[in-house]
Amino acid sequence: EAQVTQNPRYLITVTGKKLTVTCSQNMNHEYMSWYRQDPGLGLRQIYYSMNVEVTDKGDVPEGYKVSRKEKRNFPLILESPSPNQTSLYFCASSSVWGAQYFGPGTRLLVL
Amino acid sequence: GQQLNQSPQSMFIQEGEDVSMNCTSSSIFNTWLWYKQDPGEGPVLLIALYKAGELTSNGRLTAQFGITRKDSFLNISASIPSDVGIYFCAGRGSGNTGKLIFGQGTTLQVKP
Repeated sequence: EAQVTQNPRYLITVTGKKLTVTCSQNMNHEYMSWYRQDPGLGLRQIYYSMNVEVTDKGDVPEGYKVSRKEKRNFPLILESPSPNQTSLYFCASSSVWGAQYFGPGTRLLVL
Repeated sequence: GQQLNQSPQSMFIQEGEDVSMNCTSSSIFNTWLWYKQDPGEGPVLLIALYKAGELTSNGRLTAQFGITRKDSFLNISASIPSDVGIYFCAGRGSGNTGKLIFGQGTTLQVKP
């Protein structure tokens, strides 16, 4: 089954404790992206990757890091999480000009 | 920058009614996508449009890519309770980043 998977689905952590949210896709897509979704603000792009070892900032990259060492994986790293990073996070993938397919989401609470 | 206006913001309708929502852009798009999102879940792709004037159906859903390339609409016919959710449009312009611009969403509620 073609899909985008994210782990964990739910995470509660404390300020300053480094965390990684994993994202994996099995569709051989070149393009992968991370979004956060907050009430009233819609979906905002954090980082995206056009291919292996090619990443770039989206609209709200501050406080986040990503890497793309393999085509299928695109982890999101929060080196020092803060409460304003409490949000619902989505990973998505697509062929470069195709429709994006979203993962199920990771709900993060930073205390 | 590019902006998308999606309307209406919310709809409350009776089961069996038809629904229409639309998105307009301040600039030309090459791709229009429509998604549905249930609470706490990821957006699910409903329809993808790649050509101006294209009209595509997916069951009771029909979407069109506007001739001007600055708008798109989604129609749902004979609504049922499971149509409840938030519907998003998304568009992609001519830039080389593949970036999608998202509408703010239309919240649909269906009364049985």
